[in-house]
Parts: sequence; structure tokens; C-alpha cells
Amino acid sequence: QSVLTQPPSVSGAPGQRVTISCTGSTSNIGAGYDAHWYQQLPGTAPKLLIYGNNNRPSGVPDRFSGSKSGTSASLAITGLQAEDEADYYCQSYDSRLTVVFGGGTKLTVL
Amino acid sequence: EVHLVESGGGLVQPGGSLRLSCAASGFTFSDYAMTWVRQAPGKGLEWVSGVSASGGYTYYADSVKGRFTISRDNSKNTLYLQMDSQRAEDTAIYYCAKDCSSTSCYNYWGQGTLVTVSS
Repeated sequence: QSVLTQPPSVSGAPGQRVTISCTGSTSNIGAGYDAHWYQQLPGTAPKLLIYGNNNRPSGVPDRFSGSKSGTSASLAITGLQAEDEADYYCQSYDSRLTVVFGGGTKLTVL
Repeated sequence: EVHLVESGGGLVQPGGSLRLSCAASGFTFSDYAMTWVRQAPGKGLEWVSGVSASGGYTYYADSVKGRFTISRDNSKNTLYLQMDSQRAEDTAIYYCAKDCSSTSCYNYWGQGTLVTVSS
């Protein structure tokens, strides 16, 4: 069981908007530690998608955005595309267990 | 361009040892903390271990503490993970990753190396 809780799966049609939640606690996200998001395409290594709650690395489309509130963080994807089908992971720092990941969310583009 | 290339994975018997390496290029290796993250087959990501830029500070997940040792050779731009007393549950793809400079994220990842612990 992961310290950060994500829904196992989400889905959406092309062009739609989807959000993925990441629920933590007062020892990680709620303690003020940043949330980060990774995209893992099938058979590949994870790729940093959002860092510091709401920042995009160079090259990441602005269709991807992040937010944080209280003990939770969220990833939003607008204008859904077929190539967005992947696993998405949130990550933060936990004052008890150091680095923690969410269990991952599989995004299916219908 | 940043490149991280892991090697050293393979089949090892329970109780055995293996050493993973991660060759880094495209950045000043000695300026950045580095990390190992693993992913069991069909499972999510699990942070394993981290080391400071100088190598003077090391950190471990409880699941590997006392069995795994992280180290680095800044003269060779290489990160290591010595894995001893291996268990079946250590079976996973092991990724090395470069720490972001400003916050606790990982902005570059290697392609991973598969470790299988089985008799």
C-alpha cells in the first residue's frame, strides 16, 4: 500500500480533460513538500512531467498541468491525445519515509 | 545531452549478491545527488536509495536497509548499488535517476536494468 494514494485507472475520450488525484498526509504533501508527476509510457522509463507542484520541464506540452492543495495534489491533462495513454505517478518527500511514490494511475484514451 | 546507462542486472539466487552500475554523461556528475528507483514486474515505482553529490550522505528505504549499499565514484561519473542478501521481492527493474537541483524530483532516468532473484 503506497503512502500516496492515486486512483488505479482513469479514462477519457480524445480531446477531453482528465484529472488524476494524489492524496497524501500531513507528513508529506500536507507538510509543505512538493509534489511531482511522472509519465511512464509502456516499456519505457519514467519521465518527469510536472515538478514543484505546477512546473513543466522544457518540452512538456502545456496540456499538462499540476496543482496542490492541503494534503493532495492533482494532475490535469486537457485536449487528451492517444499518445497520452500511459501510467502516471505522483511523488513527494515524506518526513518519516523519505521519498514516496503514489501507486500509479493507468490512463486509457478511449 | 544527459545520459544514464545502467548495467549489471541479471539472475541471482536468493541470498546472493549483485552490483549495479550507472554510467552518467552530459552533466557535471559531481554536482548532483543521485538515486535508485525500482519497479517490480507489473507494479509501481519504489524509491530504493539516494546519495548526496559528494557521496558523504546516503539514504535507504526500510525494505533494503542493511542489505544494499549505494556509492558513487565522481572521478568515473558512475553510480553504484551493491545488493547483498537478495530476496525474491527484490526482483525488479532498477533505474538510476538524477536529482533535480531545486526540489526533490528526478529529471533524468536511465533505461533500467532487470534484476531477477530466483533459484
